[in-house]
Amino acid sequence: KNEVEQSPQNLTAQEGEFITINCSYSVGISALHWLQQHPGGGIVSLFMLSSGKKKHGRLIATINIQEKHSSLHITASHPRDSAVYICAVRSRGADGLTFGKGTHLIIQP
Amino acid sequence: GAGVSQSPSNKVTEKGKDVELRCDPISGHTALYWYRQSLGQGLEFLIYFQGNSAPDKSGLPSDRFSAERTGGSVSTLTIQRTQQEDSAVYLCASSLAVGPYGYTFGSGTRLTVV
Repeated sequence: KNEVEQSPQNLTAQEGEFITINCSYSVGISALHWLQQHPGGGIVSLFMLSSGKKKHGRLIATINIQEKHSSLHITASHPRDSAVYICAVRSRGADGLTFGKGTHLIIQP
Repeated sequence: GAGVSQSPSNKVTEKGKDVELRCDPISGHTALYWYRQSLGQGLEFLIYFQGNSAPDKSGLPSDRFSAERTGGSVSTLTIQRTQQEDSAVYLCASSLAVGPYGYTFGSGTRLTVV
């Protein structure tokens, strides 16, 4: 079992829909990251969370440390949001990040 | 610099040759990380530097891989006697320090071993 599990693996939605991507992890962490990777593009860091909730524009990330779960929400989704969204955790005492396999999101116009 | 710069952006090499990948982090970022993204494995952590020191090299896939950082800035990842399974995108990221800090990723070096 991977330390970081994401769901769904693939998601296709219509423009304007509210999107939720989930991430569960099995280890104690010091931080959780949400990353975005466009096709053929580099990785952009969206959020780093250790508790609570963060919002940036149409993106919202939440984390529940007790339940070892985080969600990434996109409001009023747009085709330019189409990308792979990756959840990654920094385990306590670890040096680097452990990554989920990513959620491939397609927003259709 | 304004962002994390990696070079080359693409590298095709023959099996058995050595390659050197370069990462120039954001100025002032003391922590530097190397990751690898390959089709079969997803993203995996290779090594990190705090300043010029790499406390843990156990993430490197084999002893053909080595990395160094000098002057607390530029880092090079060297792969000796490349194999086809080394083909991947090698990503560098930097952060202000080791710990719960945000990352900035470079655009990566796409390595193809033929």
